[in-house]
Amino acid sequence: GESVGLHLPTLSVQEGDNSIINCAYSNSASDYFIWYKQESGKGPQFIIDIRSNMDKRQGQRVTVLLNKTVKHLSLQIAATQPGDSAVYFCADASNFGNEKLTFGTGTRLTIIP
Amino acid sequence: DAGITQSPRHKVTETGTPVTLRCHQTENHRYMYWYRQDPGHGLRLIHYSYGVKDTDKGEVSDGYSVSRSKTEDFLLTLESATSSQTSVYFCAISRGGSYNEQFFGPGTRLTVL
Repeated sequence: GESVGLHLPTLSVQEGDNSIINCAYSNSASDYFIWYKQESGKGPQFIIDIRSNMDKRQGQRVTVLLNKTVKHLSLQIAATQPGDSAVYFCADASNFGNEKLTFGTGTRLTIIP
Repeated sequence: DAGITQSPRHKVTETGTPVTLRCHQTENHRYMYWYRQDPGHGLRLIHYSYGVKDTDKGEVSDGYSVSRSKTEDFLLTLESATSSQTSVYFCAISRGGSYNEQFFGPGTRLTVL
């Protein structure tokens, strides 16, 4: 079946450095992608989204890059802070049946002080 | 948590007992979702609702039923709880339509002994 997954389950980054979290998707019909952050004991929190007609979108300290050719999505976090430590999920949806998202298993990001 | 509450937040029950989890929203969003989250898995959709009394199954719906009698409330029922239903359950809401993110509640940790 179609799936969204992550290359690495864990990532450790020095505080102040930039981090990159990757995600691969397999559904060629996917045209909407979201990154979520989940802190321990809490629900997933929306970070940023991107539509398939875009290659890049920037938010506050975060950038999402989309490469439709290789079905790859990445989340870049600039100048990481201790509060960035969390599990990060990507999710995708297709315009047909867009009301449902498919989630990856997540990458745990640890910021080293 | 985008105006979403879940109750109870924690519950311990015994195998074979019925359990009902409640999700309440104050956003008047059309779509509501129930997910479960287990180690090694991404968020998996149990059931969702696209309006009052309108519901549909997700990928892991066996053993679960839902009801939505009001826009703001979405109930998840385990008719006869089993140990395999021990999990963290998240409710989410969405306006629906194209390119609409889902917002998550704080979660309910359910343990079935």
